[in-house]
Amino acid sequence: AQRVTQPEKLLSVFKGAPVELKCNYSYSGSPELFWYVQYSRQRLQLLLRHISRESIKGFTADLNKGETSFHLKKPFAQEEDSAMYYCALTYAGGTSYGKLTFGQGTILTVHP
Amino acid sequence: ETGVTQSPTHLIKTRGQQVTLRCSSQSGHNTVSWYQQALGQGPQFIFQYYREEENGRGNFPPRFSGLQFPNYSSELNVNALELDDSALYLCASSPGQRRGETQYFGPGTRLLVL
Repeated sequence: AQRVTQPEKLLSVFKGAPVELKCNYSYSGSPELFWYVQYSRQRLQLLLRHISRESIKGFTADLNKGETSFHLKKPFAQEEDSAMYYCALTYAGGTSYGKLTFGQGTILTVHP
Repeated sequence: ETGVTQSPTHLIKTRGQQVTLRCSSQSGHNTVSWYQQALGQGPQFIFQYYREEENGRGNFPPRFSGLQFPNYSSELNVNALELDDSALYLCASSPGQRRGETQYFGPGTRLLVL
């Protein structure tokens, strides 16, 4: 069965410091990985996906199939990055696409 | 805004009752997925509908059922409510089922079962 693990429930950093939110997954097939973000009083929204290989709001994430990880990184955290972050995966093909398995989430707090 | 709406925003029911939650997807979005998010947990996949047919189900009992309508609205029905059904229920819609399509989430319905 597929599983997504986010080992840190809470993560606090100071503004300007680097930040890394960890995500590990277990899946027997070919997964597609995502990071979703939920800012205070807003709905869950997609931050980035591994197939796009793009940087969104300064965040990047690299899929490491050997370590089955998809850590989210930003070199210089900003106060507006404070939010709940969820790592998620789905099967990358066929009719199973879009059925997301989420981790438990990490609350990121960036202090001034 | 993504245009996905859910109603009601909050709901209180008692154990054993039945509840219907509603979702209105963006026009043109043929896929809708429902998730249950218990307090302190990530969303958990309940089921997905594509063009009015159920297209996959998570580890939820049959008392969780759904419907999708041609006007891009959908329903989640839960029978014989249990205390553990208290959660935030999210729907998410996307155009189809092709790789790379983004799912857009609604704001959720918070259900409390007493």
